[in-house]
Amino acid sequence: GEDVEQSLFLSVREGDSSVINCTYTDSSSTYLYWYKQEPGAGLQLLTYIFSNMDMKQDQRLTVLLNKKDKHLSLRIADTQTGDSAIYFCAEVSGYSTLTFGKGTMLLVSP
Amino acid sequence: EAGVAQSPRYKIIEKRQSVAFWCNPISGHATLYWYQQILGQGPKLLIQFQNNGVVDDSQLPKDRFSAERLKGVDSTLKIQPAKLEDSAVYLCASSLVPRDEQYFGPGTRLTVT
Repeated sequence: GEDVEQSLFLSVREGDSSVINCTYTDSSSTYLYWYKQEPGAGLQLLTYIFSNMDMKQDQRLTVLLNKKDKHLSLRIADTQTGDSAIYFCAEVSGYSTLTFGKGTMLLVSP
Repeated sequence: EAGVAQSPRYKIIEKRQSVAFWCNPISGHATLYWYQQILGQGPKLLIQFQNNGVVDDSQLPKDRFSAERLKGVDSTLKIQPAKLEDSAVYLCASSLVPRDEQYFGPGTRLTVT
C-alpha cells in the first residue's frame, strides 16, 4: 500500500537553508507534491515534480527526487520566519488520490 | 479568483449529535474532494466527486458519514451520529480536472465532546 514518511520537526535559524525529507512507497506515482500549511489555514501547494525529473528549482525552493530510493527532499534557501509552518509531502496514486505524509513542522528562529 | 469556501469554520458538538459541513469550490472546477485531517497527521481523502458523481469513497465511513454534490457545484458532508474520534479538521479541495492541482479551503474544525 501507499505510505509517505517524513521527519516530524526541523528547527533552523533565519537565513540558513532548510532541508525537509520525505520517503514514499508507490513506485507508480507520477507526481510528487510539497504543500505548506500555516496555523488555522488550509493547504497551499508550494511546488511539485514529475516522476521523470531529478530536480526542480523555483525561486528559493529546490526539489530533489531520487526514484531509486523513493526519496524526495525540499530545500528552502535563505529561510525566513514567515516560512515557519508545517510542510507536507504527498504522492498521487490511483485515479488522482493524494496520499500525504504526517507533515514536518519547520520552526525558524530569528 | 475566489478560492474554495467552507462553512462553518468551527463547530463543537456532543457525541451522537449530527453535523453538516458545506463547501463551495472554485468556479468551473469539476472535481471536488473532502479530506479529514486529525491533529498531528496529514489529510486523508474521504470522498472524491467528479461533477455530481462519486469517483472514490473507499475511505468514507459510510455507516455515519455521507456526502452529496447534487448540482455538481456545492457539496455537503454530514456526520450522523458523531463520535469522539471524528474530532478533526475537515478540508474541502477542488481541481479543474482530476490529477490537476488541488486548491484547498480553510477547513472546518470539528470538536466532538
